[in-house]
Amino acid sequence: KNEVEQSPQNLTAQEGEFITINCSYSVGISALHWLQQHPGGGIVSLFMLSSGKKKHGRLIATINIQEKHSSLHITASHPRDSAVYICAVESLNTDKLIFGTGTRLQVFP
Amino acid sequence: DSGVTQTPKHLITATGQRVTLRCSPRSGDLSVYWYQQSLDQGLQFLIHYYNGEERAKGNILERFSAQQFPDLHSELNLSSLELGDSALYFCASSVGARNYGYTFGSGTRLTVV
Repeated sequence: KNEVEQSPQNLTAQEGEFITINCSYSVGISALHWLQQHPGGGIVSLFMLSSGKKKHGRLIATINIQEKHSSLHITASHPRDSAVYICAVESLNTDKLIFGTGTRLQVFP
Repeated sequence: DSGVTQTPKHLITATGQRVTLRCSPRSGDLSVYWYQQSLDQGLQFLIHYYNGEERAKGNILERFSAQQFPDLHSELNLSSLELGDSALYFCASSVGARNYGYTFGSGTRLTVV
């Protein structure tokens, strides 16, 4: 079993829909990151969380440390949101980032 | 432009060869991380340097080595290349050693033929 699990693996949506991507982890962490990878391959860091909730534009990330779970929400989705979204955790005892396998999102007009 | 510069962007080489990938971190960042992304393995952490010192090692093969120089740029050396080493290699930088945001470079796509 992977230490970081994401769901769903693939997601399609119509423009304007509210989207949720989930991430569960089984290790102790000091921080959790949400990353976005576009079809060209480039990776952008969206959020780093250690507790609570963060918002940036139409993106909202939440984390529940007790339940070892995080969610990434996209409000009013747009075709330009189409990308792979990757959850990664910083292990408590090391400097390593452990990655989920990613969620491929396609938003259609 | 993220501020993290990786060169070259693309590299095609033959099995058994050796290549060097280069990463210049964002100005002011002391940490450099290397990651490998292959189709079947996803993103894997390779190695982390902070201010010239190795901080952590991940799933890095013995055929691979890295270093961070006094000017903070880093090089990842891959030797005795195999077909399975074909992947995207990303570098990321951050200000500190732990719990800081990461800035990723655009990656080097390595194809071993």
